[in-house]
Parts: sequence; C-alpha cells; structure tokens
Amino acid sequence: DVKVTQSSRYLVKRTGEKVFLECVQDMDHENMFWYRQDPGLGLRLIYFSYDVKMKEKGDIPEGYSVSREKKERFSLILESASTNQTSMYLCASSSVEPANYGYTFGSGTRLTVV
Amino acid sequence: GNSVTQMEGPVTLSEEAFLTINCTYTATGYPSLFWYVQYPGEGLQLLLKATKADDKGSNKGFEATYRKETTSFHLEKGSVQVSDSAVYFCALSDKSAGANNLFFGTGTRLTVIP
Repeated sequence: DVKVTQSSRYLVKRTGEKVFLECVQDMDHENMFWYRQDPGLGLRLIYFSYDVKMKEKGDIPEGYSVSREKKERFSLILESASTNQTSMYLCASSSVEPANYGYTFGSGTRLTVV
Repeated sequence: GNSVTQMEGPVTLSEEAFLTINCTYTATGYPSLFWYVQYPGEGLQLLLKATKADDKGSNKGFEATYRKETTSFHLEKGSVQVSDSAVYFCALSDKSAGANNLFFGTGTRLTVIP
C-alpha cells in the first residue's frame, strides 16, 4: 500500500525552538508539498519541491524552510518556533502529473507551540 | 488565475438524507477536478476525480460531474451515513496553465446524525 508517512502525529515545542517535521514517501514521486491547515482558512501551501535539492516558496513561506536531500524525504523546518505556528501540518506527494492522479497525503502532524 | 469556491459549512444531515456540496471553479486552462475527504484527526484522502468535461467521478456512493458550462463539480450522495461525517475539499489542477499544484477550496464540514 503506497504511503506518505509523517514522523509525528503530535508535537509540543517551546517558543524559539528549532523544529523539524519529517515526511517520507515510498511512491518514487517527484513532487512533494507542505501545507498547514487552520480552521476557517483551509489548506495553505508553505513550500514545495519538484526534485531533489530543489524548493519553491508557496503562499506562506515566512518563518519556514525546507530540505530535500533525497527524493523520498521532504523536511519542513521551523527556524524559531512561535505560537502562531501552532497548526496541523500536512505533507503530500504526487507524480509529475498531478492533473491525472492528484496528491497523496500523510496523516498530518499537529504541532503546538507553547 | 485558478481558484475553487465551496459552499460554506457546516452541513448537518440526518442519516439517509441526500447530500449536495457545491463547488465552482475558475481556471485559465483545462483543469482536472478532485474531491478529497478528511476524517477526524487524519490527512486528506482522494475521494474521486474527473479529468475532462462531462466526466463523472464516483466512489463509495459519492458522485460528481465535471460541468464546464457552469464551471462546477458538485459532490452528491443519495443516502449519507454517520461514517460519512468528515470535511470535504474540492480541488483543481490546471496543468495547461503551467502550474503543477492543486488549488483547494476551504473545505465543508459534514456531520451526519443518526
């Protein structure tokens, strides 16, 4: 069964900490994405990547960075966590043609920054 | 540009009622259209899709028809169950516009009561 795995379902971090959210896919997908989901705001794209070592900013990249050293792994980094980054974070991957197959999502990481 | 507009929720229905969740879109090219479902505490799962005008996507009793003339992709189910309680997202992918991303609506929460 193909899958996108996010390393943690729940995380609690302190303000100012550096936080790593990990995402691994086993489908040999080229594209990977990080979204955050907040009530009333839907899904907002943070960063995405079309290839190893490649990254593109999404709609809300401020306060975040990403790393893609291997094709199967896409990490989201909160350089200095703040309380307004408390949210559900969703990772997704797709083949080169998401128009045909859509995205596959992980189960999400609910991050609380205190 | 590309965008998706979904009906505002939440929607509350009794078991066995008929469901319609409206979705309209704006696209610069020829989009593919998707419905995703998110069960409580989970990531998004692809429910159904349609890749060209007049296509009907279907899965688990849900249906949606790609209507180019009305730029719509409304989700329907003839008889909902308690287990259908979830958040539903409409999305589009417009490959012809050179974009490789999915554009999501804000989601519609459905609650089905026994």
